[in-house]
Order: sequence, then structure tokens, then C-alpha cells
Amino acid sequence: SAVISQKPSRDICQRGTSLTIQCQVDSQVTMMFWYRQQPGQSLTLIATANQGSEATYESGFVIDKFPISRPNLTFSTLTVSNMSPEDSSIYLCSAQIGMNTEAFFGQGTRLTVV
Amino acid sequence: AQKVTQAQTEISVVEKEDVTLDCVYETRDTTYYLFWYKQPPSGELVFLIRRNSFDEQNEISGRYSWNFQKSTSSFNFTITASQVVDSAVYFCALSAPNTNAGKSTFGDGTTLTVKP
Repeated sequence: SAVISQKPSRDICQRGTSLTIQCQVDSQVTMMFWYRQQPGQSLTLIATANQGSEATYESGFVIDKFPISRPNLTFSTLTVSNMSPEDSSIYLCSAQIGMNTEAFFGQGTRLTVV
Repeated sequence: AQKVTQAQTEISVVEKEDVTLDCVYETRDTTYYLFWYKQPPSGELVFLIRRNSFDEQNEISGRYSWNFQKSTSSFNFTITASQVVDSAVYFCALSAPNTNAGKSTFGDGTTLTVKP
């Protein structure tokens, strides 16, 4: 299994600013992902964080808005840039030890943009 | 494309009742994996079970049991003698290596409320 620490756990941010969310895994993992979960809804995959290379973004998400870093096998960051109230959501980091294995999730970051 | 359908948006039961959460999936892959996760009010998703497409045996873990039927593309989850602590949102998910490089597709979730 993997234990994931995500921070901050919540934040209230001003419109137009950026927030960087950190995700630390207690062991090396093959795959790391970032999801968004809007209130009362399911998880939407933002991107796959690739170690040592650019992230792979899903349709509707772009690097300029959601830059992602993954410098090693245990750490990743997601930045929400130039925020607007529509970005208010829960952002979740997840990790998989291997392809098609279960995903382990961080506690999530509850972001409110005012 | 992959798809997971959880038709039940919300379910409310009284403590000690049994409850079944439905999950129907779609995939063109012959090899795939199914998962259930629990999301309590604290927000963190907790992994409950993983099943591969070649293993149709039902599984029981304490009060939890899972019924996997390939013929109907369903992977239903039953909680026996429900408790208030079971109140949460439950997500069913599907992963198929050929279609989606191992990433998971999640259903919309079922919110279960267990009343004392």
C-alpha cells in the first residue's frame, strides 16, 4: 500500500492568484494522478503526472492552467493558476504502485476561490 | 471507451438493514479491473476491493460482499447489517490497460446514509 500526504488540506484564495498543492507518497510509485472533484460530483481526471517529463493532460485541461511537476517517484505538485470561482473544488492526488492496481488517495485539498 | 454507471444517486436505510449498491460497466477490453472506494465525510477515498475480469468469484469481507457478473457487466456491493459509520459516498471504478493505460474511470458515486 501507499500513504499519501497532501497539503494544504484547504485554502481560500483570491481570484487571479495561483495555488500549488503538494503530494508526497511514502514509497516509490509508478503512477501518480491528479483529480478534481466538484461538490457532489464524481472524480474527473486532470492529468497523469509523469516522472521526469511533462504531464499527460485529459481533454479539457491544459498545462498553462494546471502545471504539474513530478521530480521523482514519490512527489508531485499541481498548481491551479489564475484562479476563478469556477476552480473551487476538491483536488485529489492519487498514486498507483503499478498499472491497473488500486489507487491510493490523499486527503484532498478543498479550494475556495473568492 | 470505458464507462461506469452507478444508477443509484442516493440511498437511505435504517441501521441493521442490508443494502446493495449497483455498478454497471462498459469496456471493450477483455482484461480489465474493477474497484470500489469509500469516501467518508472527511473526504479521503478509501480503497475497498479490486477484482480482475478473470475472477468471477464473489468475495466477502466481514459485512461487505461483492457480486461480480460478467454476463451482465455488473459489480454490485452489498453491506449487511449496515451501521451509521457506513454512511459515505461509494464509488465504483474501472481500469483497462489497453483502453486507458491503467487509469481509472469512476462512476458518479452513490451516497449512502444509514440512520440510527
